[in-house]
Amino acid sequence: GAGVSQSPSNKVTEKGKDVELRCDPISGHTALYWYRQSLGQGLEFLIYFQGNSAPDKSGLPSDRFSAERTGGSVSTLTIQRTQQEDSAVYLCASSPVGLASSIQYFGAGTRLSVL
Amino acid sequence: GQQLNQSPQSMFIQEGEDVSMNCTSSSIFNTWLWYKQDPGEGPVLLIALYKAGELTSNGRLTAQFGITRKDSFLNISASIPSDVGIYFCAGQLTGGYQKVTFGTGTKLQVIP
Repeated sequence: GAGVSQSPSNKVTEKGKDVELRCDPISGHTALYWYRQSLGQGLEFLIYFQGNSAPDKSGLPSDRFSAERTGGSVSTLTIQRTQQEDSAVYLCASSPVGLASSIQYFGAGTRLSVL
Repeated sequence: GQQLNQSPQSMFIQEGEDVSMNCTSSSIFNTWLWYKQDPGEGPVLLIALYKAGELTSNGRLTAQFGITRKDSFLNISASIPSDVGIYFCAGQLTGGYQKVTFGTGTKLQVIP
């Protein structure tokens, strides 16, 4: 597609349930990032993928959070046993290689609400 | 995680006024980026800076890469209502994988 696509755009779930958030990066972008943005806050880095591997998982807040990427394309962020503090907007970004590798292109995000 | 300090955190301005915001870091960066986030959307790149001292314009926006490499500035001239949003700076060291560090954001409100 032309841009980074995330689904669903909104997700409401009950505390304790598992959720999966999906990201389709820009075609050809090898790098993929997940961020969390709480209400009125900045961007909290979660995880970075280069191809299918994740060399930097340092931002995942707990072992309830995991992510995978397949075929060097689609990525899924999974949150198990959701808690109310997980409520936030989850943003995905992708970037190309080379000189412009620092420029990240963001999706519109998934707004997660845990009741 | 580490974040850059942006100031001001928020600002209300009258339409037509000029706006200035800045971003400071305790460590140096080789690349500075400025993004804008509209409500309900992801951040969109406005300006990228790759050289200390560089001054770059994009329409009514002008950004500068601080000479110390520890700061950057964004100016918006003659603000209009659609300038409303959150502005984020971001910094990165180049060479291999270097995490992009985002600022805390400046929320801009424009009063028509």
